[in-house]
Amino acid sequence: ILNVEQSPQSLHVQEGDSTNFTCSFPSSNFYALHWYRWETAKSPEALFVMTLNGDEKKKGRISATLNTKEGYSYLYIKGSQPEDSATYLCAFKYSGAGSYQLTFGKGTKLSVIP
Amino acid sequence: DAGVTQSPTHLIKTRGQHVTLRCSPISGHKSVSWYQQVLGQGPQFIFQYYEKEERGRGNFPDRFSARQFPNYSSELNVNALLLGDSALYLCASSLAKSGGPARETQYFGPGTRLLVL
Repeated sequence: ILNVEQSPQSLHVQEGDSTNFTCSFPSSNFYALHWYRWETAKSPEALFVMTLNGDEKKKGRISATLNTKEGYSYLYIKGSQPEDSATYLCAFKYSGAGSYQLTFGKGTKLSVIP
Repeated sequence: DAGVTQSPTHLIKTRGQHVTLRCSPISGHKSVSWYQQVLGQGPQFIFQYYEKEERGRGNFPDRFSARQFPNYSSELNVNALLLGDSALYLCASSLAKSGGPARETQYFGPGTRLLVL
């Protein structure tokens, strides 16, 4: 059984604060790491796909890093805004039979207080 | 362009009944995946179909089945419903073979919320 762990489960930050959360995954048989943002009552939105150790991706105020050797990825949000309030999910792909399926963590629920 | 669409949006069934959920992928996408999300958990992989063939199956009982049609739309069927099948069922589509499966982004629909009483 592959476990993808995300921490914290939830957090509240003030508007303008920067924040980050963690995704931990098995370091063996790594294939890819995906990040999604999921706003209430909407569809999960793809943020990043990362495949190489040391990958860094950036989209506006959101960025992500990847360490495949130790099995973790960080998602950073700079200057949080109320519209950043959502659940952030990471999903792991492993090589072989699992290369087509996403194994998700439980997500980090972010609430940005105006 | 329309995103992934799913129908119905909500559904209430009783134990022992069966249910069919439907999904239309983004135009041009040939692969469809199904996920189940129960409260407090992340989405769990059920099936993936590509070109009407099952490409992968998660750890779900045989009560769960799916198929993909020539137009790449898909149905998820669940027989003999149990209370524990109450969940949000998400469908995702992908181009498939776009830079290889590692970078293949799956685009999700809004889900069908199923309540089993």
